[in-house]
Amino acid sequence: EIVLTQSPGTHSLSPGDRATLSCRASQSVSSSFLAWYQQKPGQAPRLLIYGASRRAAGIPDRFSGSGSGTDFTLTISRLEPEDFAVYYCHHYGSSPWTFGQGTKVEIK
Amino acid sequence: QLVESGGGLVKPGGSLRLSCAASGFSFSSFTMTWVRQAPGKGLQWVSTIGSSSNSADYADSVEGRFTISRDNAENSVYLQMNSLRVDDTAVYYCARTLRGLDHWGRGTLVSVSS
Repeated sequence: EIVLTQSPGTHSLSPGDRATLSCRASQSVSSSFLAWYQQKPGQAPRLLIYGASRRAAGIPDRFSGSGSGTDFTLTISRLEPEDFAVYYCHHYGSSPWTFGQGTKVEIK
Repeated sequence: QLVESGGGLVKPGGSLRLSCAASGFSFSSFTMTWVRQAPGKGLQWVSTIGSSSNSADYADSVEGRFTISRDNAENSVYLQMNSLRVDDTAVYYCARTLRGLDHWGRGTLVSVSS
C-alpha cells in the first residue's frame, strides 16, 4: 500500500499569501494518477488537480500542481477567502487507492 | 448529479444497502467509486467498480463484508454492507471516476452503534 504523508498538518496563512502544500509518497507514484481535492466543512470534496498537474474543469488558475515520483506539491498562488479549507492528495493508480491525511489551510 | 441514499443507524453485525443515483451524464461509460469519511477524520477509499461491472476492487478493511454493484439501466451504483462494525461509521460518498474522482455526491451517513 502506498502511504501518502501530507505536510504541514495545518497551514496558518493570510488572504493574498502563497500556500505550498506537500504530499510525499512511501513509494514512487505514477504522475498520471495523483490528484488533489479541496473540502470545506459540511461539503463533499471537490477535485482540483488530476494527473499531478492538470487543473480540473472550472478550477481557477491560482491552483497548480507539480511533482513526480514520491514528491508532489499543490500551490495556491494567492489565497482567496474561499480557499481556506482542507486539502487532500490522492493516489488512484494501483490498488489500494489511498489518500493523504489532509492539510488544513486556516486564516492566520 | 449524484445522490446517495440508504444510510442510517444500524447495530453492529447488521446490514445496510447504499444507493447512488446518477443523472446528467452517460452513467454506463464511467467507473464509479465509494469513499467514506469517519466523523472528524480524513477520506478513505472503499470500493470501485468498472463501467460494465467487469471489475470490482475493495479496501482490505471491507473486503468480504461489502459488495459493490451497479445497474446501468437504472443509472445507479450500490454498496451492500454486511457485518457492519462500529468503525464503519462514516459519511459514504459516491464519486464518478475518470481522471481522479471528478464528481461527488453529498454523501449519506452510516452510524453503527449498539
